[in-house]
Amino acid sequence: EVQLLESGGGLVQPGGSLRLSCAASGFTFSSYAMNWVRQAPGKGLEWVSGINSSGGRTYYADSVKGRFTIFRGNSENTLFLQMNSLRAEDTAVYYCARAGGPGGGATDYWGQGTLVTVSS
Amino acid sequence: EIVLTQSPGTLSLSPGERATLSCRASQSVSSNYLAWYQQKVGQAPRLLSYGASYRATGIPDRFSGSGSGTDFTLTISRLEPEDLAVYFCQQYSSSPWTFGQGTKVEIK
Repeated sequence: EVQLLESGGGLVQPGGSLRLSCAASGFTFSSYAMNWVRQAPGKGLEWVSGINSSGGRTYYADSVKGRFTIFRGNSENTLFLQMNSLRAEDTAVYYCARAGGPGGGATDYWGQGTLVTVSS
Repeated sequence: EIVLTQSPGTLSLSPGERATLSCRASQSVSSNYLAWYQQKVGQAPRLLSYGASYRATGIPDRFSGSGSGTDFTLTISRLEPEDLAVYFCQQYSSSPWTFGQGTKVEIK
């Protein structure tokens, strides 16, 4: 059974940093691209960042480019999102999601999400 | 960036009725890389359809996706009470992968 378990969310002050983790199990992690998608309270879905299966290609939404870094540890079956210079508008539930193939694709499995709150 | 516009914003129908949800793209979605997701309150999204018309694993056949280019549709042929949810479309043909704003389906 495919499982994605996010951790690392919490309350952080504006300008602060957080690192999210996503522990993957039930599939060959190194064969799939992965994404982070967020959802602000009461709002829709926003794709944040993606990474291909090897970690050699990364992609970012303009809203987080230069502040967030996605990376992965294929030997540990873990996806990460390093978030720096956090702003109030980054407050959201962050979902880890598996893409359908090594280079991308529709997100076929989602974690339950971890809440990030940016507030003073 | 490809902008996806979903309509209507809210759809209120009775059980057994047919629901038609629209997703229009600001430019052509290459290879019809368009997906639909269902999100129930308090839950993560669930993939319903990918490649515009392929049903995801385990999805009931009352859900069907169609369309190409810039116009796509999700049809729920016979609404069930458990279909109460918000439905999102997403294009994954070019970065940034973008979502529509969602259509809320209410059951009368």
